Amino acid sequence: AQTVTQSQPEMSVQEAETVTLSCTYDTSESDYYLFWYKQPPSRQMILVIRQEAYKQQNATENRFSVNFQKAAKSFSLKISDSQLGDAAMYFCAYRPRSTGNQFYFGTGTSLTVIP
Amino acid sequence: EPEVTQTPSHQVTQMGQEVILRCVPISNHLYFYWYRQILGQKVEFLVSFYNNEISEKSEIFDDQFSVERPDGSNFTLKIRSTKLEDSAMYFCASSTRNSPLHFGNGTRLTVT
Repeated sequence: AQTVTQSQPEMSVQEAETVTLSCTYDTSESDYYLFWYKQPPSRQMILVIRQEAYKQQNATENRFSVNFQKAAKSFSLKISDSQLGDAAMYFCAYRPRSTGNQFYFGTGTSLTVIP
Repeated sequence: EPEVTQTPSHQVTQMGQEVILRCVPISNHLYFYWYRQILGQKVEFLVSFYNNEISEKSEIFDDQFSVERPDGSNFTLKIRSTKLEDSAMYFCASSTRNSPLHFGNGTRLTVT
C-alpha cells in the first residue's frame, strides 16, 4: 500500500522563525515524485515545492526547502523566516513515476504563524 | 500562467438532485482528476482520467458518480442523486505525465 503520513496535525511558529513540517511515506517504488501543497483559508491548493526521488539534492524554493531522506522515506518541509501569509494547511503528496497516475496525499498539517 | 478553471464556485442542491461540476483543465495536460475535501479533512482521491477513459477510481467513486470529457476541453463530474454526505469541496486537477497536480480553485457543494 502506498500511504503518506503527516504526524503533526497542528504546528505553530513565531513570525520570522523557522518551522519544519514532517512527512513520511510508504512505497515499494524506487522512482517517484514528492510534493508539498499549501492550502490557505481560501481553500485553493497551491504547489509549494517538488522533489524527484532520483535527485539527491534537496529542493529549495526561496524560503521553502525540503529534507529528503530516501532510505528513511522521509520528506520534511522547512519554512524559514516565517511570514503571516504562510499560515495555511500544508499537505504532503506522493506520486509514483511508473505505476498509474494517482497522487497520494497526507492528512495535512495546520500551520499557525504567531505575530 | 495557464490555470485550471472550475465552475461554479459554489453549488447548493437538494438531496436526491443531480449535480454537474465543471472543469477546464490546462490545455496541454493529459491527465485529469477529481478530488474532494470535506471541510477540515484530508484531500480524498475520487477518480483519474486519461485517454478518454477512467484510469483509476477510489471506493468513494461509486455508481452515483460519473465523469466525462464531452468536447475535448471540459471535464465534468456528475453526481446522479446527491446525499447530504456529498457536501464537500470538489477539486479538479490536471497534469502531464511527470508534472505536479495543478488544481482549480474548487467548487463548494452544499447538499441540503
